[in-house]
Amino acid sequence: DGGITQSPKYLFRKEGQNVTLSCEQNLNHDAMYWYRQDPGQGLRLIYYSQIVNDFQKGDIAEGYSVSREKKESFPLTVTSAQKNPTAFYLCASRTFVWREGSTGELFFGEGSRLTVL
Amino acid sequence: QKEVEQDPGPLSVPEGAIVSLNCTYSNSAFQYFMWYRQYSRKGPELLMYTYSSGNKEDGRFTAQVDKSSKYISLFIRDSQPSDSATYLCAMSGSGGSNYKLTFGKGTLLTVNP
Repeated sequence: DGGITQSPKYLFRKEGQNVTLSCEQNLNHDAMYWYRQDPGQGLRLIYYSQIVNDFQKGDIAEGYSVSREKKESFPLTVTSAQKNPTAFYLCASRTFVWREGSTGELFFGEGSRLTVL
Repeated sequence: QKEVEQDPGPLSVPEGAIVSLNCTYSNSAFQYFMWYRQYSRKGPELLMYTYSSGNKEDGRFTAQVDKSSKYISLFIRDSQPSDSATYLCAMSGSGGSNYKLTFGKGTLLTVNP
């Protein structure tokens, strides 16, 4: 079955540690995204990538880093510079709207919940 | 003014009620409008998708877009306890501005049996 796999589902981190969240998709989607979700805040865009080896900052990129070495993979590193990293992180992907048959629907993974101890 | 405004609720209704969820937006470049449903501790899933203005119906769900008023709605008929979830509206532009979706904050809905 095609889909987006995020791992781990739950992660605990001590202050000062970097952690990396994995995101893999087998949907052959062009673009991939990382969102952060906090209670009452909705979804906020961290980083996005439209093609391999290229990515752009979203609205809240400070303290985060990403890479896009393969079309299928878009890992997110939460660095120690992120002041309030405890949150629910969602990875998503989509094809470009201009591709024939595409609605531009964003498909989401099941999320990774990060807790800083 | 925020780009997308959505009443966070919470909204609590009895089973069988008609539910109306709404979002307003300020960016006239938005062309694609979506509603996502998110169950607790899960990723959002697409519920309805509409391009430009008009209505779209899918079973018990109806999505409406009024671009002149910059207002979108989702109606749920004969609501069921399984509809209890957070509903997120999302929208994007076309061409070069469609690289990302802008989300509302979500409305938490509870349908009581």
